[in-house]
Amino acid sequence: ETGVTQTPRHLVMGMTNKKSLKCEQHLGHNAMYWYKQSAKKPLELMFVYSLEERVENNSVPSRFSPECPNSSHLFLHLHTLQPEDSALYLCASSQGQGANTGELFFGEGSRLTVL
Amino acid sequence: GQQVMQIPQYQHVQEGEDFTTYCNSSTTLSNIQWYKQRPGGHPVFLIQLVKSGEVKKQKRLTFQFGEAKKNSSLHITATQTTDVGTYFCVGGSYIPTFGRGTSLIVHP
Repeated sequence: ETGVTQTPRHLVMGMTNKKSLKCEQHLGHNAMYWYKQSAKKPLELMFVYSLEERVENNSVPSRFSPECPNSSHLFLHLHTLQPEDSALYLCASSQGQGANTGELFFGEGSRLTVL
Repeated sequence: GQQVMQIPQYQHVQEGEDFTTYCNSSTTLSNIQWYKQRPGGHPVFLIQLVKSGEVKKQKRLTFQFGEAKKNSSLHITATQTTDVGTYFCVGGSYIPTFGRGTSLIVHP
């Protein structure tokens, strides 16, 4: 139990579906992150939010749309995805952001399969 | 973002042998973190190094931060099957960027 909860743990969707991934952190942290982990690829940073403001969008396609309604919740809205978007999506949080990020606490991930 | 190169990509060892993974950056890092991800799991924080030339130990794991703060290493002495997983370094910058990781496979 890391204090970061992701739902759903597994998701299968068609290319025309709309779905959302949810992340909740119970650690009182100020920053939250979405990472994508594909087979045989490094962890790719997708989005960073600090105090609910997006501070980094790592050139992610617009079919991925993040939302951070408050410092404890982070969503990733998915729309018209491609099969190559199938991956493990990891949410993380940290106390600080920027040069003093500190330890990243990861959720267990949401395994996405796009058919 | 920060470019952090990590080698080797894979390492097979016999149980009891030592293991080392290396991390290199083209620019000076404010700090470096190391994470371990077990197969089927998520990355878990191991340690953070901040000072030039810093060396820290955790039981059989030894972490080093280079004098120029551009490279780092993780050394495991006498590997065990429980050490299996992928070890990532994360370059300290404004945005935490992961290296490709080194997957350690330990043969009993």
